[in-house]
Amino acid sequence: EPEVTQTPSHQVTQMGQEVILRCVPISNHLYFYWYRQILGQKVEFLVSFYNNEISEKSEIFDDQFSVERPDGSNFTLKIRSTKLEDSAMYFCASGQGSETQYFGPGTRLLVL
Amino acid sequence: QKEVEQNSGPLSVPEGAIASLNCTYSDRVSQSFFWYRQYSGKSPELIMSIYSNGDKEDGRFTAQLNKASQYVSLLIRDSQPSDSATYLCAVGGDGGATNKLIFGTGTLLAVQP
Repeated sequence: EPEVTQTPSHQVTQMGQEVILRCVPISNHLYFYWYRQILGQKVEFLVSFYNNEISEKSEIFDDQFSVERPDGSNFTLKIRSTKLEDSAMYFCASGQGSETQYFGPGTRLLVL
Repeated sequence: QKEVEQNSGPLSVPEGAIASLNCTYSDRVSQSFFWYRQYSGKSPELIMSIYSNGDKEDGRFTAQLNKASQYVSLLIRDSQPSDSATYLCAVGGDGGATNKLIFGTGTLLAVQP
């Protein structure tokens, strides 16, 4: 069964450094998302991406964040200058239509 | 601000019993509703989706939707210890351009052997 994959599974970085989180969505899916979950808290929407552009972003998704689909398979989230409060689990999700979303295993980001 | 509310639990049920999980949502125009299961340290796993009022059954799981009351529930029949996890209610958009999911805090279910 096809699934969303994410790399790396864990990332430790120093405050102020740039990180890139990578995702390979399910191959015939057209809608792509990033969510994050701070330890012990809700899953929060960050951004949605369709037809090679951002379709919606949350207040969390400020100028420090960007997304890209550099080729036909990868979907990346870049955080330009990480802060301590960016420490969280980051989930990529994809969907064939605009509704049902399937989540990847996540990248645990720790900012020191 | 759209809200999704769940009782955080823990909800403790004996093995073989029915577990009933509940969720309310604030945005009356929401059209799609989902239940995800999340084991500790893992990602959300889709269990059920429901779009119309009434019941939808899939194996041991039944989702129930009442749009007038803005209420979604999930019943798990013949609960197993492996069902012990956090169950996340998620609400989608209004069928238009918005398709982000708004999640509740989740209900922790503990099935006792």
